[in-house]
Amino acid sequence: KQEVTQIPAALSVPEGENLVLNCSFTDSAIYNLQWFRQDPGKGLTSLLLIQSSQREQTSGRLNASLDKSSGRSTLYIAASQPGDSATYLCAVFSGGYNKLIFGAGTRLAVHP
Amino acid sequence: DAEITQSPRHKITETGRQVTLACHQTWNHNNMFWYRQDLGHGLRLIHYSYGVQDTNKGEVSDGYSVSRSNTEDLPLTLESAASSQTSVYFCASSESGGINEQFFGPGTRLTVL
Repeated sequence: KQEVTQIPAALSVPEGENLVLNCSFTDSAIYNLQWFRQDPGKGLTSLLLIQSSQREQTSGRLNASLDKSSGRSTLYIAASQPGDSATYLCAVFSGGYNKLIFGAGTRLAVHP
Repeated sequence: DAEITQSPRHKITETGRQVTLACHQTWNHNNMFWYRQDLGHGLRLIHYSYGVQDTNKGEVSDGYSVSRSNTEDLPLTLESAASSQTSVYFCASSESGGINEQFFGPGTRLTVL
């Protein structure tokens, strides 16, 4: 059974820092991987989708990498800002066509 | 702009009542999904549909049902609400023809007393 783990569970950093959020999955037979952001009391906002054949994907200050063989993905946030404060969720497409399996998330706080 | 809407955004009901949560998307996506989010469990798939008249069970489907009569809507019905179904429910959709990005609605917070 596919399991997705995100480390750390919570992170507090000063504004301007570059930071890395980690995601690991137990079964490397995944299709694609998607990173989301969730603000308190809100829905999920898609940040990046990495195709299984890709090793990384970039959007603005965000860069996500994927290493299927080791079962890992990282989300790199450059020059963090207070507006980046949210919970970041990693999800893998696994166990069936278009089915997402989610990690528990990393709660990020960026303070001025 | 295309979007997914969910209604109601908040609902309180009593044990044993039937409840229906609405999900409407204007992306014209064939794939639609229902998830629930609980502390300690994260997001889990309840039901999903790959097109009109198609429905499938997800990881936690007991006590829930869906029907797909058109492309835009996938209502989720709790046949007889239980306190264990108190949760936040999210609807999502994606394009067909591959493993595509999923887009989520704002969620419905359901409390079963």
